Amino acid sequence: DAEITQSPRHKITETGRQVTLACHQTWNHNNMFWYRQDLGHGLRLIHYSYGVQDTNKGEVSDGYSVSRSNTEDLPLTLESAASSQTSVYFCAHQVFCSNQPQHFGDGTRLSIL
Amino acid sequence: GQQLNQSPQSMFIQEGEDVSMNCTSSSIFNTWLWYKQEPGEGPVLLIALYKAGELTSNGRLTAQFGITRKDSFLNISASIPSDVGIYFCAGRQMNRDDKIIFGKGTRLHILP
Repeated sequence: DAEITQSPRHKITETGRQVTLACHQTWNHNNMFWYRQDLGHGLRLIHYSYGVQDTNKGEVSDGYSVSRSNTEDLPLTLESAASSQTSVYFCAHQVFCSNQPQHFGDGTRLSIL
Repeated sequence: GQQLNQSPQSMFIQEGEDVSMNCTSSSIFNTWLWYKQEPGEGPVLLIALYKAGELTSNGRLTAQFGITRKDSFLNISASIPSDVGIYFCAGRQMNRDDKIIFGKGTRLHILP
């Protein structure tokens, strides 16, 4: 069965470190998204991609980067982790170029001390 | 940026009661989505709506795409304990790309 998986599920790190969160989907969908979820803010879009080599900034992209070297993966990198980036991070995929819903992974809980 | 106003923020109801929540915006949407999120999991799609006035059911859940295209409603009938969670509305605006905007969620609590 096709699926979307995020790893790790939990991570604790220190401020200033580089952190990479993985997202892997086997749906062969072009559209992939990264969100962060914080109390009082709901889901906020960080970065998104509409296909290989395509990346775009979302609402809260500062301090984050993504790369898309293949269809299956969209890793999210925090270049220099800050305590304000402590959050739960969700990856989502969507059928290309449609008004179809996004479908989410189970999230990564990231704590930055 | 654009916002979706979702209400109420939280609800405490008795098991067996019906639940209503809604989402409004000042902008026009061409797609409305309703998700449910349980602890430790990602949001799961419940219902998708694509036409103004559309009424769609999924078991005890019913959602409607408002006639003005600026709002949507979700109703849950005869609530049960497993309905507990956070319900999110989401919408895709007219003439925009595939990005979806999310409401801040309605947290549903069910009292025994």
